[in-house]
Amino acid sequence: EDKVVQSPLSLVVHEGDTVTLNCSYEVTNFRSLLWYKQEKKAPTFLFMLTSSGIEKKSGRLSSILDKKELFSILNITATQTGDSAVYLCAVLLGGGGSNYKLTFGKGTLLTVNP
Amino acid sequence: DTEVTQTPKHLVMGMTNKKSLKCEQHMGHRAMYWYKQKAKKPPELMFVYSYEKLSINESVPSRFSPECPNSSLLNLHLHALQPEDSALYLCASSPDRAGYTFGSGTRLTVV
Repeated sequence: EDKVVQSPLSLVVHEGDTVTLNCSYEVTNFRSLLWYKQEKKAPTFLFMLTSSGIEKKSGRLSSILDKKELFSILNITATQTGDSAVYLCAVLLGGGGSNYKLTFGKGTLLTVNP
Repeated sequence: DTEVTQTPKHLVMGMTNKKSLKCEQHMGHRAMYWYKQKAKKPPELMFVYSYEKLSINESVPSRFSPECPNSSLLNLHLHALQPEDSALYLCASSPDRAGYTFGSGTRLTVV
């Protein structure tokens, strides 16, 4: 059975702190790993990682994938209250053709206090 | 156009009603998906359409009936739902070998 495990499940920090969110996976037919941010609505895409060791950055957020150890991390530096959300890690599984199935972890609930 | 558009945004329906959720994308993506998300849980896959044909049904009850009339549209027909079916229903699309784009979702309440 395909598994995606995120840790921690919840995290409370103060504004300005740096956080690291973890995602490990054990799946067949791995294609890529995606990170999403979800507030009250639909998930918002952050990163897609396909190759090992290449860091992706967007402002204060960055992420990297290790395909040998089967995990990814999402870093957020200088956190702000607007970063408070659930961060979802998902693995894209190749099903053949163009139907790719996303399997999600349970998410990390990040709360940033002022 | 880089969006997946879902309508309606909110829907309240009774257990004897028939309603439909709609999803549209004009990015040329050939795979489209329905996900269901309950409160404080991650999204769970319901159906996958690939090239307008149903390719994955994750053992979804028959009161949910998907339809893909053409490559840009995906519907989810609802009939005789139960209160426990209340959830956020997410549509998504993807091209080959690239990430998903999610719609903003339909928040469904069954009364």
